Amino acid sequence: ETGVTQTPRHLVMGMTNKKSLKCEQHLGHNAMYWYKQSAKKPLELMFVYSLEERVENNSVPSRFSPECPNSSHLFLHLHTLQPEDSALYLCASRSTTDSGNTIYFGEGSWLTVV
Amino acid sequence: AQKVTQAQTEISVVEKEDVTLDCVYETRDTTYYLFWYKQPPSGELVFLIRRNSFDEQNEISGRYSWNFQKSTSSFNFTITASQVVDSAVYFCALSEKGSTLGRLYFGRGTQLTVWP
Repeated sequence: ETGVTQTPRHLVMGMTNKKSLKCEQHLGHNAMYWYKQSAKKPLELMFVYSLEERVENNSVPSRFSPECPNSSHLFLHLHTLQPEDSALYLCASRSTTDSGNTIYFGEGSWLTVV
Repeated sequence: AQKVTQAQTEISVVEKEDVTLDCVYETRDTTYYLFWYKQPPSGELVFLIRRNSFDEQNEISGRYSWNFQKSTSSFNFTITASQVVDSAVYFCALSEKGSTLGRLYFGRGTQLTVWP
């Protein structure tokens, strides 16, 4: 069983819909990440939260809105997405006291925008 | 600048063959960490190993072994006696010690297919 769980695993949404992806980590970590993985493209870091503060936003369009209510939970709110936003969205976490920066990933949420 | 290159896009082998996945990296830092992750079709990236830049000792874990060579900036991954369950995309990644965000720089991945 993975220490980072993501729901839903699969999501199909229309371009006018509003939906959210949820991530929960059970590892006692205090930093969380959203990555995007599109076909034929490298993994893209979207957002970083450290100690519940957003510390990085990699020029992600505003139609993606992250939320980190506590160190165990991370959300990605989606609205008015485009078909090119269809991808695998991966949540990850790590402990900021780990100088080796090992990041643990969830199983991902497969998003299809129609 | 940091960069990780996995030149092999796809590799196919038959079960029980040995296979080596190549990884070459670039960094200006003297202290850094190298990783390998496995991504099966289900999607999750599974952490396999982390190596520190100051420890060039090779490592073996069951059928997996890693060859870290600073002189050639390479961190190659060998699977011995491959099995069908090894079929996945494998990612090599780099993180610098000075990165407070724990940012990982990923290669593009190598799709390994093991045929029965």
